[in-house]
Amino acid sequence: DAGVIQSPRHEVTEMGQEVTLRCKPISGHDYLFWYRQTMMRGLELLIYFNNNVPIDDSGMPEDRFSAKMPNASFSTLKIQPSEPRDSAVYFCASASGPPNTEAFFGQGTRLTVV
Amino acid sequence: AQKVTQAQTEISVVEKEDVTLDCVYETRDTTYYLFWYKQPPSGELVFLIRRNSFDEQNEISGRYSWNFQKSTSSFNFTITASQVVDSAVYFCALSEETSGSRLTFGEGTQLTVNP
Repeated sequence: DAGVIQSPRHEVTEMGQEVTLRCKPISGHDYLFWYRQTMMRGLELLIYFNNNVPIDDSGMPEDRFSAKMPNASFSTLKIQPSEPRDSAVYFCASASGPPNTEAFFGQGTRLTVV
Repeated sequence: AQKVTQAQTEISVVEKEDVTLDCVYETRDTTYYLFWYKQPPSGELVFLIRRNSFDEQNEISGRYSWNFQKSTSSFNFTITASQVVDSAVYFCALSEETSGSRLTFGEGTQLTVNP
């Protein structure tokens, strides 16, 4: 398996624009997570899905952020409108089961909002 | 609430030295899971080890070893005979049985191994 695949790897956008980050989890994994990494806050969970259903979105910072998982092999994280403070590395991860199984992370999307 | 503390922000050693990365956690659950991840300069997060709260047996994998002590709520990571390729940020993380699959990460420890 190719692992968790995220796209794009880098994204630079202007403030106010819509940004969509994409993730393909490892086949057969029922859990998908979106994390954000910043210098100030470290690694924090934004949202996670189980069998394509959002389970916990309490980490989503505000209504500008939304995430979907239309099928078992694809998820998106959308920011609309984007702001400079959204600049971070966004990681997608997947796991075969909770919570005692390890999550495998994608390579991340480095987002810069100017 | 769950919390993970990695008090060492940065550690610098010379190649072949042994180094221990500290991790202290807080949880009210009796069932929980501890993890270590490595983030090399390339940026990806690489899983290293998982431990559950009922298994305090220490583990060794090559040059890596982990010491889990419930009495002190610690899960420390030791690299023996460090190498330059070990240079990375290392994260300790905790997952509680009652909070689903949410991973709470520590702040990370930047390890630099100098030749």
